[in-house]
Amino acid sequence: GAVVSQHPSWVICKSGTSVKIECRSLDFQATTMFWYRQFPKQSLMLMATSNEGSKATYEQGVEKDKFLINHASLTLSTLTVTSAHPEDSSFYICSAPPTVLAKNIQYFGAGTRLSVL
Amino acid sequence: GQQVMQIPQYQHVQEGEDFTTYCNSSTTLSNIQWYKQRPGGHPVFLIQLVKSGEVKKQKRLTFQFGEAKKNSSLHITATQTTDVGTYFCAETNSGYALNFGKGTSLLVTP
Repeated sequence: GAVVSQHPSWVICKSGTSVKIECRSLDFQATTMFWYRQFPKQSLMLMATSNEGSKATYEQGVEKDKFLINHASLTLSTLTVTSAHPEDSSFYICSAPPTVLAKNIQYFGAGTRLSVL
Repeated sequence: GQQVMQIPQYQHVQEGEDFTTYCNSSTTLSNIQWYKQRPGGHPVFLIQLVKSGEVKKQKRLTFQFGEAKKNSSLHITATQTTDVGTYFCAETNSGYALNFGKGTSLLVTP
């Protein structure tokens, strides 16, 4: 079945540094990938839609200059948290809709738990 | 988009008791999906409902989609400790991104 790989699973960084998170579709191509953020004991909220070959689409309230998204190929999207601060500490999860398989069903990466000190 | 409302926020049951979580929307839903997230894990797809009045079963889990396509429920019969986790309903928007409910955290004690 469709598998989405996300790396790293954990990251601890100092305030002010940048962190890159990778999301790969392993056995299918994804022209679109989604990035979600989940704060402790809260729901998942869509941050942005990553589009291969074009700019990402950000949800209202999400700073595009802080959360840089690059959809470098049909199997890779990256999210870079620039100048991270403690309030950016969260669980970041990517997903991809497998267009070849059943539509509307998304497969999620394992998530990246970011802790900014 | 408008968030799908989900209740209860938490539910604590004894093993063997039943459990139900409900999702409601003020607008008609194109579809409803259900996910389970174990503590520390990522959401795992359970099922998708599309048709008005649809009912689907997966072993002890029963999923329903309301006739007006504005509400949905997930019912677990005779809960087990392996059912522990947070259950989310979600609707896909026009771009296939998911609009999640707030989730119901289920705790099952032996």
